[in-house]
Amino acid sequence: SQTIHQWPATLVQPVGSPLSLECTVEGTSNPNLYWYRQAAGRGLQLLFYSVGIGQISSEVPQNLSASRPQDRQFILSSKKLLLSDSGFYLCAWSPRGLDNSPLHFGNGTRLTVT
Amino acid sequence: EDKVVQSPLSLVVHEGDTVTLNCSYEVTNFRSLLWYKQEKKAPTFLFMLTSSGIEKKSGRLSSILDKKELFSILNITATQTGDSAVYLCAVDEVEYGNKLVFGAGTILRVKS
Repeated sequence: SQTIHQWPATLVQPVGSPLSLECTVEGTSNPNLYWYRQAAGRGLQLLFYSVGIGQISSEVPQNLSASRPQDRQFILSSKKLLLSDSGFYLCAWSPRGLDNSPLHFGNGTRLTVT
Repeated sequence: EDKVVQSPLSLVVHEGDTVTLNCSYEVTNFRSLLWYKQEKKAPTFLFMLTSSGIEKKSGRLSSILDKKELFSILNITATQTGDSAVYLCAVDEVEYGNKLVFGAGTILRVKS
């Protein structure tokens, strides 16, 4: 069966520090991968999605970037964190080629920028 | 403008009550509507709806879609404390990459 792992679960970082969140998927090949952010009391906002290695689409202009160095690895990064980057970050995957299929989410990383 | 609007934003009920959660949407090329339950961490998938008028059911939960009026409802009967969660509605548009647009969610609290 397929599983998705995200780490770390929680993170407290000072303003101006770098960020790296990692997500890996097991049990499937060529997945679509996504990064969402959930602010308190808000829905999930799509940040990035990827349909293949090195293929990243950004949905909103921001202080973050994403990379997909391997088929089942998706990384969210920032060179310098802002206070507004605080939130709950969720990685998700869906099967490639099955566009009408649900997304499956990891357990998320709660980021607090101080 | 919000493409997916959920109501109510929050709800408190007692065990045994029946609740109805609402989701209205406005997208150009609708493909499907999805419901998720989020407790502490990962949203977990409940239903995917693509056709109007066909009820999807799983235990005490059921959902239906109205593509003419552009809304969906999620019903929970005989609520239990374990139903307490944030319920998220999302819409998938016909577009490359299977990207979901989420509503803000409904916070449900079931009191014993």
